[in-house]
Amino acid sequence: GNSVTQMEGPVTLSEEAFLTINCTYTATGYPSLFWYVQYPGEGLQLLLKATKADDKGSNKGFEATYRKETTSFHLEKGSVQVSDSAVYFCALSRTTSGTYKYIFGTGTRLKVLA
Amino acid sequence: DAGVTQSPTHLIKTRGQQVTLRCSPKSGHDTVSWYQQALGQGPQFIFQYYEEEERQRGNFPDRFSGHQFPNYSSELNVNALLLGDSALYLCASSPPTASTEAFFGQGTRLTVV
Repeated sequence: GNSVTQMEGPVTLSEEAFLTINCTYTATGYPSLFWYVQYPGEGLQLLLKATKADDKGSNKGFEATYRKETTSFHLEKGSVQVSDSAVYFCALSRTTSGTYKYIFGTGTRLKVLA
Repeated sequence: DAGVTQSPTHLIKTRGQQVTLRCSPKSGHDTVSWYQQALGQGPQFIFQYYEEEERQRGNFPDRFSGHQFPNYSSELNVNALLLGDSALYLCASSPPTASTEAFFGQGTRLTVV
């Protein structure tokens, strides 16, 4: 079946450090891949997405590349800020017979220290 | 644009009771999905509604039911509440054009005591 595995947290970094959060997936066919961010007490916000192999999604300094050969979609940012502290979810979505649903990883909590 | 709105934001119920959660989709969106997010976990798909019909369902018991109205808003009903139903319930809406991008509301935090 379809599944998403992401690195366990929490991840604690100093401000301006480099961030990588690993995400791998299992899916039949060609899913779309997403990173969502959840700030305390809030719902999910789409951070970036990629819909086909070798696509790179990017937003707010974050980026991730859809790697079909390694079934991965790792999230990276060159220089994190305290305001990036949140929980990050990797997710996949496949359209089947006109419908789709998201399958999420368990989330990775990021804490950035000033 | 108000985005996806959910009500109430917080709710406390007793075991065995029934609860109704509400969702108004983003303007122009006709598909509504519901997810359950337990503490420290990722969201789990409950079901999806389109044209007032349940189109797809996740691995949740029949105690979980839903409805979609002609204006595309939706309700999630949970009967015979269990302690394990305590979670953040998220509503997501998406547009009628072919797209896999969904927009999430801020969620309803349900606590069952």
